Amino acid sequence: AQSVSQHNHHVILSEAASLELGCNYSYGGTVNLFWYVQYPGQHLQLLLKYFSGDPLVKGIKGFEAEFIKSKFSFNLRKPSVQWSDTAEYFCAVTSSGNTPLVFGKGTRLSVIA
Amino acid sequence: EAGVAQSPRYKIIEKRQSVAFWCNPISGHATLYWYQQILGQGPKLLIQFQNNGVVDDSQLPKDRFSAERLKGVDSTLKIQPAKLEDSAVYLCAGRSTGGLEQYFGPGTRLTVT
Repeated sequence: AQSVSQHNHHVILSEAASLELGCNYSYGGTVNLFWYVQYPGQHLQLLLKYFSGDPLVKGIKGFEAEFIKSKFSFNLRKPSVQWSDTAEYFCAVTSSGNTPLVFGKGTRLSVIA
Repeated sequence: EAGVAQSPRYKIIEKRQSVAFWCNPISGHATLYWYQQILGQGPKLLIQFQNNGVVDDSQLPKDRFSAERLKGVDSTLKIQPAKLEDSAVYLCAGRSTGGLEQYFGPGTRLTVT
């Protein structure tokens, strides 16, 4: 069965600091990878996705993620965080279009001024 | 286009009572998912529909949970009787045929006392 590990439960950063959130998955076949964000009081929103091709994908709001197949990783990055990035971030994987998403436990990001 | 609609947004019930949640996905999204998100965890699949048929309900606690999508459009998830551990956010998501991305609703936050 697929599983997703997110290494950090809670990350606290100052504004303008760089961000990297870890995500590792366990599945040996072809995967589709996602990062979702959940702002306080709001629903899950897609940040970015990887299906195939260039392993470095860019998403909304300056976020990017790199798929490293040999490490089964899909880490999320942002060069300079803002206070408005305070949210919960979820990594998710699916093996095909028809299978449900398997989510990690999430990482709570708090950005302080 | 309208997003995924869910109601109610919040519900508080006592244990052993019954509750029902409603979801209407984006028009044309043939696949519908119900996820349960317990506080501090990522969403976990409860049931997946393709049109009005169940594709995967292996993780649905069938002794107390039921779901239907009779006309292949909107869906209802029911819990009867509720337990304290059912306190969670219940998320509905839809996906178009051939698409890889799931679109989430705002969720229903259930508190069982």
